[in-house]
Amino acid sequence: QQPVQSPQAVILREGEDAVINCSSSKALYSVHWYRQKHGEAPIFLMILLKGGEQKGHDKISASFNEKKQQSSLYLTASQLSYSGTYFCGTEIASGGGADGLTFGKGTHLIIQP
Amino acid sequence: GAGVSQSPSNKVTEKGKDVELRCDPISGHTALYWYRQSLGQGLEFLIYFQGNSAPDKSGLPSDRFSAERTGGSVSTLTIQRTQQEDSAVYLCASSSQGRQPQHFGDGTRLSIL
Repeated sequence: QQPVQSPQAVILREGEDAVINCSSSKALYSVHWYRQKHGEAPIFLMILLKGGEQKGHDKISASFNEKKQQSSLYLTASQLSYSGTYFCGTEIASGGGADGLTFGKGTHLIIQP
Repeated sequence: GAGVSQSPSNKVTEKGKDVELRCDPISGHTALYWYRQSLGQGLEFLIYFQGNSAPDKSGLPSDRFSAERTGGSVSTLTIQRTQQEDSAVYLCASSSQGRQPQHFGDGTRLSIL
């Protein structure tokens, strides 16, 4: 089942913070976050594994609540370069082996100067 | 090459024709994935290869779609008797092994007239 992302779109001023949420009805093994700019390939941001971890890179961080099957991506002090569509991709816990990611519909982020 | 390479970058063909899309993954990556992205939509998983084997073909939309991977490297996605609803961007990704970050190519934009 496709994970649900919220919000669908957000417009920010440069320097403001944003939170993007991703929730699943399935027990998850991992959550992947990607950013895609118009006409370009999705770019990997980070992966979070079950166990409820939190990761950060520069001003972008994420958390994974295994009990709620939810992940959140945090963008702090947003920069113009953060604009794009953010996708979460999920891997379910069952199945034993690897599989493709099931992606949400994306969150459109627009950063204005 | 340094990244995932896909060809052609654009393909326009008439309804009913067959098309072949090629993906050359990052050298040494054993896992290869095909996704489809329709206009303004998220990414839809099609098929996953580990080496030359495809453990899960359930994502292929119909029996007109097939894929193969030879030598644990290049993969070809073939669509037979194309239909207008096949129009989309077909993205290929590879990872060092299953359940690792996926690196995407720039995609093939397929247009069926």
